[in-house]
Amino acid sequence: GAVVSQHPSRVICKSGTSVKIECRSLDFQATTMFWYRQFPKQSLMLMATSNEGSKATYEQGVEKDKFLINHASLTLSTLTVTSAHPEDSSFYICSASGGAYEQYFGPGTRLTVT
Amino acid sequence: GESVGLHLPTLSVQEGDNSIINCAYSNSASDYFIWYKQESGKGPQFIIDIRSNMDKRQGQRVTVLLNKTVKHLSLQIAATQPGDSAVYFCAENPSGYSTLTFGKGTMLLVSP
Repeated sequence: GAVVSQHPSRVICKSGTSVKIECRSLDFQATTMFWYRQFPKQSLMLMATSNEGSKATYEQGVEKDKFLINHASLTLSTLTVTSAHPEDSSFYICSASGGAYEQYFGPGTRLTVT
Repeated sequence: GESVGLHLPTLSVQEGDNSIINCAYSNSASDYFIWYKQESGKGPQFIIDIRSNMDKRQGQRVTVLLNKTVKHLSLQIAATQPGDSAVYFCAENPSGYSTLTFGKGTMLLVSP
């Protein structure tokens, strides 16, 4: 149980375009979803926390107009990187929580902006 | 250019050895701690957790020790195997909700 999927697993896009990443909880209802960013050989950095049906809470330094998060249902959250630039290239990981302490992580999405 | 902290601490062990990975956490109010394993190109995988009212918890081949006095957490892996090679992160829950703060990570390399 507690499986979280992400789609796509890898994406390459051109600078200036937007990219949407989906995060789904497959076998449980996720009241809260989290989006992380990870650069090579570094730890996970929390970008934002989203609760179903409400606006996401962004961490300091994360531009909410650049990283659009939608959590429209209890099983789906999306992260849209708008007007992507090469410095946005990273590994984006989502996690989902059913309300307790545990977070269940997705497999990650490798974004490369050329 | 290269950033400070780009190189993860690395622990190299031989197959069959016991491994100990350490983590210092920052918030004395944290009441829940988790160890995650992350293989290259994958998301973190839950290994074991411990609450602040405990100082030791054992799983299959893994033991987590918590020392709240010095804000220190350790993960012990018994009889380490090549499949244990990965980056290990500790995480703390500082707020009482499900938000986690991750440590810097340690790369474990197990040679046969």
